[in-house]
Amino acid sequence: AQSVSQHNHHVILSEAASLELGCNYSYGGTVNLFWYVQYPGQHLQLLLKYFSGDPLVKGIKGFEAEFIKSKFSFNLRKPSVQWSDTAEYFCAPLGQAGTALIFGKGTTLSVSS
Amino acid sequence: DTGVSQDPRHKITKRGQNVTFRCDPISEHNRLYWYRQTLGQGPEFLTYFQNEAQLEKSRLLSDRFSAERPKGSFSTLEIQRTEQGDSAMYLCASSLARVEAFFGQGTRLTVV
Repeated sequence: AQSVSQHNHHVILSEAASLELGCNYSYGGTVNLFWYVQYPGQHLQLLLKYFSGDPLVKGIKGFEAEFIKSKFSFNLRKPSVQWSDTAEYFCAPLGQAGTALIFGKGTTLSVSS
Repeated sequence: DTGVSQDPRHKITKRGQNVTFRCDPISEHNRLYWYRQTLGQGPEFLTYFQNEAQLEKSRLLSDRFSAERPKGSFSTLEIQRTEQGDSAMYLCASSLARVEAFFGQGTRLTVV
């Protein structure tokens, strides 16, 4: 079965600390990869996406992610977090059928000022 | 706001009642998805429409659940004979082909 694993359930950081959230998916082949963010009280929003080409992709608000095909990974990074980054982060590859996203369980990020 | 719209935002129902949720996607999007999210979990895929055709259904979607998308525009998700285990946030999303999906605010269902 297709699955997505997010390694960190809850991450607590101070402002200006660096962030890396791990994501591994269980299937090979062509993969379209997404990270979504859900700020408190808001709907899911796209943070960044990877379809092909440069495996290092940049998204909104200074986030970036690296696709490593050999490791089936798509880790999210940010060099310096802000209090406003407090949110829940979801890794979501597009399923092998190319239809629906498959979501990880999410990582809650809490940033203290 | 031309985003994905869901109605109602909250629904409290008694066990055994039927409920129906509506989703209005972004107008030019041909793909529409329903997901369910419970506390501490990521969204779980329920079903997918391309235009008016329901092309994929998850094993999570029991016989009590039915979804429609008449004329390829808005969609409804009906749950018959609700159970306490149906309590969750029901999310609708829409997209164009294989690009990113845009999500609505969700309908929070509480079955008492």
